[in-house]
Amino acid sequence: GAGVSQSPRYKVAKRGQDVALRCDPISGHVSLFWYQQALGQGPEFLTYFQNEAQLDKSGLPSDRFFAERPEGSVSTLKIQRTQQEDSAVYLCASSLTDFNQPQHFGDGTRLSIL
Amino acid sequence: GDSVTQMEGPVTLSEEAFLTINCTYTATGYPSLFWYVQYPGEGLQLLLKATKADDKGSNKGFEATYRKETTSFHLEKGSVQVSDSAVYFCALSERNQGGKLIFGQGTELSVKP
Repeated sequence: GAGVSQSPRYKVAKRGQDVALRCDPISGHVSLFWYQQALGQGPEFLTYFQNEAQLDKSGLPSDRFFAERPEGSVSTLKIQRTQQEDSAVYLCASSLTDFNQPQHFGDGTRLSIL
Repeated sequence: GDSVTQMEGPVTLSEEAFLTINCTYTATGYPSLFWYVQYPGEGLQLLLKATKADDKGSNKGFEATYRKETTSFHLEKGSVQVSDSAVYFCALSERNQGGKLIFGQGTELSVKP
């Protein structure tokens, strides 16, 4: 596709359930980033891949959060044993390389934990 | 750690008014600076960027100048339109951090006809 695609757009889960969020980056983009955006706040960095290598996961809030990009293209962000504070919009972005290249954002997945 | 601070919103202006949204940053290195915009119902889009001191980024009538001495990157537009109503985010990225963006909290702009 022409842009970064994220699915699902909306996800509602009960506290304690596991969820998986998918990101399809722009074809050929080497770098892929995940951000978490709470209501009324700016996005906060979660993790970063260069191809299939996860080079920075310093922003993941706990060990319940796990991300992968096994073939260097599609990425999945998994949250285990969800809690209410995980409710947020999860944004994926990709760029051709990394520093100084513009990041192209998807529309995000809005996650609501009941 | 690195951080970005923006003026709080919401900002409400009349059409054709002058816009300034203040942004200051703290960084350990020499960052690149960005403004992103989020129109209602849409994803984040890059508006403009500057990669070194005194660079001016510009796009769609918006401008921002990288001021190292004041660690600022204020967004300006001479005459806003209703279609500029959106949330604006200032952000930085450092070379030694792989390009991850650090965002401010966002400033909502509402332009009235």
